[in-house]
Amino acid sequence: EPEVTQTPSHQVTQMGQEVILRCVPISNHLYFYWYRQILGQKVEFLVSFYNNEISEKSEIFDDQFSVERPDGSNFTLKIRSTKLEDSAMYFCASSHDRAPVSYNEQFFGPGTRLTVL
Amino acid sequence: DQQVKQNSPSLSVQEGRISILNCDYTNSMFDYFLWYKKYPAEGPTFLISISSIKDKNEDGRFTVFLNKSAKHLSLHIVPSQPGDSAVYFCAVREETSGSRLTFGEGTQLTVNP
Repeated sequence: EPEVTQTPSHQVTQMGQEVILRCVPISNHLYFYWYRQILGQKVEFLVSFYNNEISEKSEIFDDQFSVERPDGSNFTLKIRSTKLEDSAMYFCASSHDRAPVSYNEQFFGPGTRLTVL
Repeated sequence: DQQVKQNSPSLSVQEGRISILNCDYTNSMFDYFLWYKKYPAEGPTFLISISSIKDKNEDGRFTVFLNKSAKHLSLHIVPSQPGDSAVYFCAVREETSGSRLTFGEGTQLTVNP
């Protein structure tokens, strides 16, 4: 069964450093998402991406964050200068369609645990 | 963000019995409702969904009920199995805000053999 994959599973970085989290969405999916879950808190939407551009983003997704689809398979989240509060599980998701075309079930990857020291 | 609330952080049931997980929401513009299951060290796994034009959707042992007047969503698992032990999240979508999902806090379900 096709699945979303993410690398690395765990990333440790120093405050102020740049990190890139990688995702390979399901191959025939067209819509891509990043969510995060800070320990003990809810899963929160960050950004959605379609046709090589951001389609929507949350207030969390500020100028420190960027997303890219550098080739036909990868989808990346870059944090330019990490802060302590960026420590969280970051989940990539993908869907074949999106609202309002259809009801979109989003399929999630296993996550990358980011620890900022 | 209190738009979606799962008031029970945990639920424990005996194998073979029914598990009922609940979710309340505040925004009447939400039009699509989903349940995800999450095991430790894994991402959320889609389980079942329901649109706002329905009040029930069933898939095997899993049934989701939607009470729009009460803004209440529930997931019934019957019969419950030990492998169902996981964190269950409800998630909602508002049509006018695109595809973003808003999640509840999650409920840890433990099914005892």
